[in-house]
Amino acid sequence: DQQVKQNSPSLSVQEGRISILNCDYTNSMFDYFLWYKKYPAEGPTFLISISSIKDKNEDGRFTVFLNKSAKHLSLHIVPSQPGDSAVYFCAASAGGTSYGKLTFGQGTILTVHP
Amino acid sequence: DTAVSQTPKYLVTQMGNDKSIKCEQNLGHDTMYWYKQDSKKFLKIMFSYNNKELIINETVPNRFSPKSPDKAHLNLHINSLELGDSAVYFCASRADRGYTFGSGTRLTVV
Repeated sequence: DQQVKQNSPSLSVQEGRISILNCDYTNSMFDYFLWYKKYPAEGPTFLISISSIKDKNEDGRFTVFLNKSAKHLSLHIVPSQPGDSAVYFCAASAGGTSYGKLTFGQGTILTVHP
Repeated sequence: DTAVSQTPKYLVTQMGNDKSIKCEQNLGHDTMYWYKQDSKKFLKIMFSYNNKELIINETVPNRFSPKSPDKAHLNLHINSLELGDSAVYFCASRADRGYTFGSGTRLTVV
């Protein structure tokens, strides 16, 4: 039973445009959400996070939106760059940031074309 | 300096063998994890240690045994390897703003 789902296996975007990656979750106990980026043969690297007390968090070109009622979050990348091409994982945790295990989605492959 | 380092990066071994994967972090974090990325690309937690003490143990066969000699190291021992153990195993340590992952160990059981 997958509690975190990324229903789009892949996304292709033109350089300079906006990339929107989506994530849905089912566990209402999740209260902390993260996005990770992963290049081939490397481990996931932390991108941005959001607590359930917020509905938006920005960091440079990356913005995460959280819709608790819909149990949905999204990552916006503006403007998209070819170096953003990677696999993006959404993750969620219950009980704040302490100890809580991260439950991951299956990832979305983003390709940004020059 | 690599923050979380795993060795080996690749491991090919025969069924029935016993193998170990080592993990070290130089970030001073208290909590470390092992995750498994299966063939469907899901990353699933296996174990978590906090300051050498086991705090999370998911439903993992007891052929898998983590060992933490100190809070900077969390090694994974796997006995009697099976074909289904083939996966990429990631070590991670906990930071304030998310986890720091190692680069992974691709285990192939033949």
